[in-house]
Amino acid sequence: QLLLTQSPSASASLGASVKLTCTLSSGHSTYAIAWHQQQPEKGPRFLMKLNSDGSHSKGDGIPDRFSGSSSGAERYLTISSLQSEDEADYYCQTWGTGKVFGGGTKLTVL
Amino acid sequence: EVLLVESGGGLVQPGGSLRLSCAASGFTFSSYSMNWVRQAPGKGLEWVSYISSSSSTIYYADSVRGRFTISRDNAKNSLYLQMNSLRAEDTAVYYCAREHEYGGNSCVGYWGQGTLVTVSS
Repeated sequence: QLLLTQSPSASASLGASVKLTCTLSSGHSTYAIAWHQQQPEKGPRFLMKLNSDGSHSKGDGIPDRFSGSSSGAERYLTISSLQSEDEADYYCQTWGTGKVFGGGTKLTVL
Repeated sequence: EVLLVESGGGLVQPGGSLRLSCAASGFTFSSYSMNWVRQAPGKGLEWVSYISSSSSTIYYADSVRGRFTISRDNAKNSLYLQMNSLRAEDTAVYYCAREHEYGGNSCVGYWGQGTLVTVSS
């Protein structure tokens, strides 16, 4: 079964970097994913599509501080120079016949 | 600029029906597959349904199959979700979402602002 696993929470200091992880279920390590950001009380926003080789294509207006990388079944979202507005929920998403979302990671900027 | 505007949400009793609409602009609607995604209060994102650009391919989540129907009108640049036999657990903000890439089924690339559906007596 195609599943995505995310840690429920993460935290990092203002100005620092943080790396969020999304893990694909067994047998699906070659799948591409997408990362989405949802700030408090707002709708989601597409950040990037991330391929298994680490190549990625970002959404409109997404700053260079957001980058993606891949290793095996793991897909990463790295946010550098953390700003207060980066405090949000981050969801990974993949697709088969339908779409699958991870449970989300709540990022706190200290 | 891609714009997706949902409408049709509201309060409905258990067992009732509701039809959501999504008005799309800023892109060639007939070239892109579309989705509905929902988010229950305080919960994560849950994909609901997918429809290809020509309506030839449709998928549903198990939780809504047989109760919800997705459709589109390319002449009107509009996406719809007919929701029947509604349950309390269908209470959520419903988002209209466009595919990131032209033509197929991949990741969501654009989101609407959402419309709230509340199922309660």
